[in-house]
Amino acid sequence: EAGVTQSPTHLIKTRGQQATLRCSPISGHTSVYWYQQALGLGLQFLLWYDEGEERNRGNFPPRFSGRQFPNYSSELNVNALELEDSALYLCASSHPGQGISPLHFGNGTRLTVT
Amino acid sequence: GDSVTQMEGPVTLSEEAFLTINCTYTATGYPSLFWYVQYPGEGLQLLLKATKADDKGSNKGFEATYRKETTSFHLEKGSVQVSDSAVYFCALGRINKFYFGSGTKLNVKP
Repeated sequence: EAGVTQSPTHLIKTRGQQATLRCSPISGHTSVYWYQQALGLGLQFLLWYDEGEERNRGNFPPRFSGRQFPNYSSELNVNALELEDSALYLCASSHPGQGISPLHFGNGTRLTVT
Repeated sequence: GDSVTQMEGPVTLSEEAFLTINCTYTATGYPSLFWYVQYPGEGLQLLLKATKADDKGSNKGFEATYRKETTSFHLEKGSVQVSDSAVYFCALGRINKFYFGSGTKLNVKP
């Protein structure tokens, strides 16, 4: 089974620009989560999508947004990029079944803002 | 509210040494507990999990036991290898909510 895939692997943008990051979940997984991992720090929860709807968001400004498509893939958009947005952005998916399903992560998109 | 606390790193060990990475949690009810591992330049991989008290999760020589009385889920390995060098994250999971520790970097020297 293919894992969670993210694209692009690396992205370099200039301050003030917009970035779009993409994620394809494992087949059969309907929930997609986005996390930010700044260098040397832990994971900060950004957004959770399920069945095409935004279900929860972390403590991030509105310029961080996204969507989930009918095929359950997802897109994270970051507008008006700031230097401190430089980080590894991780996408994870989980199975909708009964009980607590673990998150399965992609390898991330490394965003560098100059 | 729910939270996870894990020991700060980095932890530096020699090959074949015994590993313990401490993890404690705060939660009501019965969450699931997980350990994830992150190798350089990669995302997090699920290492092991436990879903109820006294469950022992194990994988690749790593073990952790869900201790409700001490609210702990310490990660152990009897003999580490250089290839185990990575960052380890303890996590608490509920349905559609996950709480991660800050990560512990492990360096294993030959």
